[in-house]
Amino acid sequence: EAGVTQFPSHSVIEKGQTVTLRCDPISGHDNLYWYRRVMGKEIKFLLHFVKESKQDESGMPNNRFLAERTGGTYSTLKVQPAELEDSGVYFCASSPWLSNYGYTFGSGTRLTVV
Amino acid sequence: GIQVEQSPPDLILQEGANSTLRCNFSDSVNNLQWFHQNPWGQLINLFYIPSGTKQNGRLSATTVATERYSLLYISSSQTTDSGVYFCAVLTGNQFYFGTGTSLTVIP
Repeated sequence: EAGVTQFPSHSVIEKGQTVTLRCDPISGHDNLYWYRRVMGKEIKFLLHFVKESKQDESGMPNNRFLAERTGGTYSTLKVQPAELEDSGVYFCASSPWLSNYGYTFGSGTRLTVV
Repeated sequence: GIQVEQSPPDLILQEGANSTLRCNFSDSVNNLQWFHQNPWGQLINLFYIPSGTKQNGRLSATTVATERYSLLYISSSQTTDSGVYFCAVLTGNQFYFGTGTSLTVIP
C-alpha cells in the first residue's frame, strides 16, 4: 500500500510569488489533514477535509492560504502571495473514516520563502 | 486546546548511550503517537501508543493514560537517531504536537 505522498519535497520561492503544494492520501482514506511547522516551533493543525468537504479550517492562518480537495482524492494547498513567515515544513496526513488510529503522515514539503 | 509538553527540549548523547524522552499531556486523548523528524524534515511515525508498552528494535514506548504521560526509550543510540522527536496526541479531529526533543548523537 502506498503511503501519503507529498510534492514537491522542497520548494524555494521569492516573497510575493505563488506556490502550490500537493498531497495524495492513502487510497480510500476519507480524512485528509494539513499541518505545518514553522520557525522551529511545534507542528500545528491547519485544516481537515472529509472527502471533498472542509470539516475544520480553524488552523488556517489567513486568507493567503487556500486548500482544495476536488473529487475527494488529492488535495492542494496554495499560498498566494507567499511571505517570509510562511517558510517551514508542510505536512499532510490521511486516515480512514471514523478512526482514532491509522493516521499516516507524508514526508512533508519544505517551503523556503526568500 | 490540549497542552502537550515534551522534555528535555534538547539532548546530546554519545553514540551507544541510552535516553528517555518524556511527553506530558493535559487531558484524555484518543490516540498518542511518537514521530521522528529526520534532518531532511521527513516525519516518520515511530509508535501508535494510546496506552501500554510497545517495542521496535532499539526503541520502545510506554504510555500511562491514567497519569497522562508517555515515555520514549532509545537504547544504544546511533548517529542516525539524530533529529527531533515529537509526541502528538489526538483529540477530536486533530493532533496536538509537543514542541519536540532535539536529539544529537555524536560519534
